[in-house]
Amino acid sequence: GAGVSQSPRYKVAKRGQDVALRCDPISGHVSLFWYQQALGQGPEFLTYFQNEAQLDKSGLPSDRFFAERPEGSVSTLKIQRTQQEDSAVYLCASSSDDSHYGYTFGSGTRLTVV
Amino acid sequence: GNSVTQMEGPVTLSEEAFLTINCTYTATGYPSLFWYVQYPGEGLQLLLKATKADDKGSNKGFEATYRKETTSFHLEKGSVQVSDSAVYFCALGQGAQKLVFGQGTRLTINP
Repeated sequence: GAGVSQSPRYKVAKRGQDVALRCDPISGHVSLFWYQQALGQGPEFLTYFQNEAQLDKSGLPSDRFFAERPEGSVSTLKIQRTQQEDSAVYLCASSSDDSHYGYTFGSGTRLTVV
Repeated sequence: GNSVTQMEGPVTLSEEAFLTINCTYTATGYPSLFWYVQYPGEGLQLLLKATKADDKGSNKGFEATYRKETTSFHLEKGSVQVSDSAVYFCALGQGAQKLVFGQGTRLTINP
């Protein structure tokens, strides 16, 4: 597609529910990133894939957070047993291998845990 | 660790005013520096970047110069328009393409 597509756009979850957030990167983009953006804050790095390999997951806040990209294209960020502090916008970005930080961001998924 | 500090917002200006949004950073080595913009309802977009000291990034009338001696990357525009109203993020990148963002500055331009 023309851009990075994220779904759903909005998600309301009850505390304790599991959620799955999807990211469709730009076709052919090797690198894929997930960021978390709390209200009024800048995005914070969660994890990074190069093709299907998860090269950096240092930003995942707890073992309730899990990301995968099994075929090197679509990625899913899963949050188990959601807590109120997980409420945020989750941003996905992709870039080509030689772009030097030439990210294209999606519009994000706004997660609200009630 | 690496970090970015932006001037607190919100910032409200009149059309055609001069804009400065301050950004300073802390990093080891020589990171690349970026300004991203987030228009209402849209994703983050790269506005400009600079990859080494004294480089000037520019786009859409905005400019920022990488100042190693003051560890700064202030965003400037000589004459703002209503359409510039958005949230602006300063960011640094170092290694493995990971970005570290500032907290963002909301800019509102009144006609």
